Amino acid sequence: DIVMTQSPDSLAVSLGERASINCKSSHSVLYSSNNRNYLAWYQQKPGQPPKLLIYWASARGSGVPDRFSGSGSGADFTLTISSLQAEDVAIYYCQQYYSTPYSFGQGTKLEIK
Amino acid sequence: QVQLVQSGAEVKPPGSSVKVSCKASGNSYTINWVRQAPGRGLEWMGGIIPIFGGPSYAHNLQGRVTITADESTGTAYMEVSSLRSEDTAVYYCATTDNTTGWNYYLDVWGRGTTVTVSS
Repeated sequence: DIVMTQSPDSLAVSLGERASINCKSSHSVLYSSNNRNYLAWYQQKPGQPPKLLIYWASARGSGVPDRFSGSGSGADFTLTISSLQAEDVAIYYCQQYYSTPYSFGQGTKLEIK
Repeated sequence: QVQLVQSGAEVKPPGSSVKVSCKASGNSYTINWVRQAPGRGLEWMGGIIPIFGGPSYAHNLQGRVTITADESTGTAYMEVSSLRSEDTAVYYCATTDNTTGWNYYLDVWGRGTTVTVSS
């Protein structure tokens, strides 16, 4: 099974500043035949289901602001928020869908400094 | 966009079973089940494609979790048996819009079903 590890576990960033969250997989999630990374990022706020932010490692989900971006390939990935807004306070999860059983990172709690 | 409608909250005693449903507006979607214990992260439990059958399970839950589907109604079911306190969680179903098959991200989520295991 593929294990996903995020860092840090929690992060405090000032409004307007950049926030970066890292995600490492225990196995590459890059499928060579189509050159796609099977990696997604989700945002979850209290009492709500997760919301898809990024898929294929760098494609933004529907309606996701362009301050959110995803990068990386193979087994190392980063979610970046270019200018933190108050509404971005949430827990963020990475997930691999390269192979079942799918797996999520443990989550990173993002707060305002 | 596809919508997922889940069944209501359940309270069950330890050792019993619970069955949660998720109805999609269509029967060709892959229905995934993800649970979240209080204050914890997301755990993928398994999934099924109603028109194909053949569920897939997380290894640590296989044997205690059964995922089925009614192709005619596009409804998926997830049953957990031998319930214990650690099964107390919100259970979500999730899928990918306009897509059939495995190995896709999850862009549509149900609102969640709270299952409480308590005597």
